[in-house]
Amino acid sequence: KNQVEQSPQSLIILEGKNCTLQCNYTVSPFSNLRWYKQDTGRGPVSLTIMTFSENTKSNGRYTATLDADTKQSSLHITASQLSDSASYICVVSAGGDMRFGAGTRLTVKP
Amino acid sequence: NAGVTQTPKFRVLKTGQSMTLLCAQDMNHEYMYWYRQDPGMGLRLIHYSVGEGTTAKGEVPDGYNVSRLKKQNFLLGLESAAPSQTSVYFCASRRQVRSNQPQHFGDGTRLSIL
Repeated sequence: KNQVEQSPQSLIILEGKNCTLQCNYTVSPFSNLRWYKQDTGRGPVSLTIMTFSENTKSNGRYTATLDADTKQSSLHITASQLSDSASYICVVSAGGDMRFGAGTRLTVKP
Repeated sequence: NAGVTQTPKFRVLKTGQSMTLLCAQDMNHEYMYWYRQDPGMGLRLIHYSVGEGTTAKGEVPDGYNVSRLKKQNFLLGLESAAPSQTSVYFCASRRQVRSNQPQHFGDGTRLSIL
């Protein structure tokens, strides 16, 4: 069983709508959680990092939340744009060890 | 500012052939990694390096070898390719492992083994 589970596997939304992606993890001991965006045919690019003491962090239209007690994180995308179409990958670090989720494939349609 | 560059971008091999994937980074990072990405699965670590001249096994090292003769380069070798090694391979680099610095990824090498 993967130590980092993401849901949904895929999501289709209309341009301008909001969406929320989920990441549940069992990795321990927790160091940090990072969200990456991976465009088709490209490598992942970091969006934001959450440490144990952080509950919410924003990066433009992206807002990440972390509940370290329930071991859950979410990535909320506001006012989606066509360029948001990508895979979003949750990565949880335990010391120097990193565990990757399988990603959520987001498609934004006009 | 190139970041992490992977060559080649695409390759088709026959079973049993060998090849080397090259990763180069220009950020003076100490740590470098090789991952494979398969449909429905998260990135899986093949091998990594914590500095020039060092290598270590990751989660799925079998069938692969690596070398880091120069700090900026990390090579991944397949000695005898198998269809199960059909995948997209990503190289990444990072300044330090115990920091909040992100990994920087290349754009991948798409490898098909027939």
